[in-house]
Parts: sequence; structure tokens; C-alpha cells
Amino acid sequence: DAKTTQPNSMESNEEEPVHLPCNHSTISGTDYIHWYRQLPSQGPEYVIHGLTSNVNNRMASLAIAEDRKSSTLILHRATLRDAAVYYCILRRAGGTSYGKLTFGQGTILTVHP
Amino acid sequence: EAGVTQSPTHLIKTRGQQATLRCSPISGHTSVYWYQQALGLGLQFLLWYDEGEERNRGNFPPRFSGRQFPNYSSELNVNALELEDSALYLCASSLAVARSTDTQYFGPGTRLTVL
Repeated sequence: DAKTTQPNSMESNEEEPVHLPCNHSTISGTDYIHWYRQLPSQGPEYVIHGLTSNVNNRMASLAIAEDRKSSTLILHRATLRDAAVYYCILRRAGGTSYGKLTFGQGTILTVHP
Repeated sequence: EAGVTQSPTHLIKTRGQQATLRCSPISGHTSVYWYQQALGLGLQFLLWYDEGEERNRGNFPPRFSGRQFPNYSSELNVNALELEDSALYLCASSLAVARSTDTQYFGPGTRLTVL
């Protein structure tokens, strides 16, 4: 599986934007970039995914570099509820990684009031 | 709409015993995934079932096994429990669509403690 690298932790203030980076220099052309987050004492939840173009949904935006070797999850206005571990995951349609999510260490996001 | 449910919430076993964990997927979802979240090891993929068949398996010994029933619910069985099996076991479900883009919806997990 292609590897992702994320900072161990980041901090933000409430109502400020947060940019969570992810490096994936060995990404292949068929790998989708997914983001999940895990709130304290809960299972992970889906945030957003993309292939090449930037994506927006009600939770966040995903900015993908032109060479696809990095991406950034953007939370436009952080709230206390956004404090979680954020995972950047590459997903491929087939091969040994078929179906599964491969979680790395993730980034622990702390939001200050 | 009900989310993914798991039972029991907590399970305490002793070394050498067997544990059975259960998962009910979201209605309409045919795929069920199992993950282990052990302290210090992060979230690791265990098993994937779709339409009653095992489709993929993570790097776990054969004493971790499971099955999927005709109603798409699933069981994870862990035989000959070891202390290091203590972890949060998470179940997820998804629709059977493109495997690189389908969203997995996670349950709250079963906390297994092996004494």
C-alpha cells in the first residue's frame, strides 16, 4: 500500500480555519485520497475523498496538489467538536489492499476555545 | 436510520478463552469490515465480508475468524485469546459499490479485555 505521512499533532483556535497536510509521494494514478476522523471514544467517520480535483462537502474541503503527491484537508471554521484524530488514507480498487482502509498514525487536532 | 451496531459494548475474557463479537450493518449494506484498534498499534484491518464471503484478510493469525450471515450481519471470533488481543474491535459497513470510493460507516466498537 502507498504510504501517507501526516504531522503527529496540530492545534487551532475555535472558528479559525485549519489546514491538515498529508504527503503521499508514492501515490499511484488509481489511488483515491480519503480522509476519516475519529472523535474521542467513537469509531472513525468519513470526511471527504478525491482523486485529482479539489472537492468540497458540508464538512470540509480537500485540496489536491497538481502532482498528487500531497493533499490538504481544510476545515473552514474549526469548532470544539472538530477535535479528533484525522487520518489521510489512500485507497486502491484492487490488489491486496482491496476493500480495506489502511490507517496510519493520523494527526491529533486540538481546538482551543 | 440506524447506524452500525455492535455487541457487546464490553467483553472481559481470560487468556485461552474464545470471544465472539457481533455486528449489524446499516440496512442495505452488504459489506462488513472488522478492524482492531490496540493501544500503540493504531487501527488495523482484520477482515472484510461481502455477500457472505470473506473477500480480504489482514495480517492476523487464523485464530481470528468470522462469518457473515444471510441478513449481512457478522460475527468475529477470536480463539485462544492472548493478552495482546485486548483492544477495541470496530465494525464498519458499506454499500457494494466501487471499492476505491465507497464510504465505510463505523460502529462504536466492542472493547475486549483479556486477563
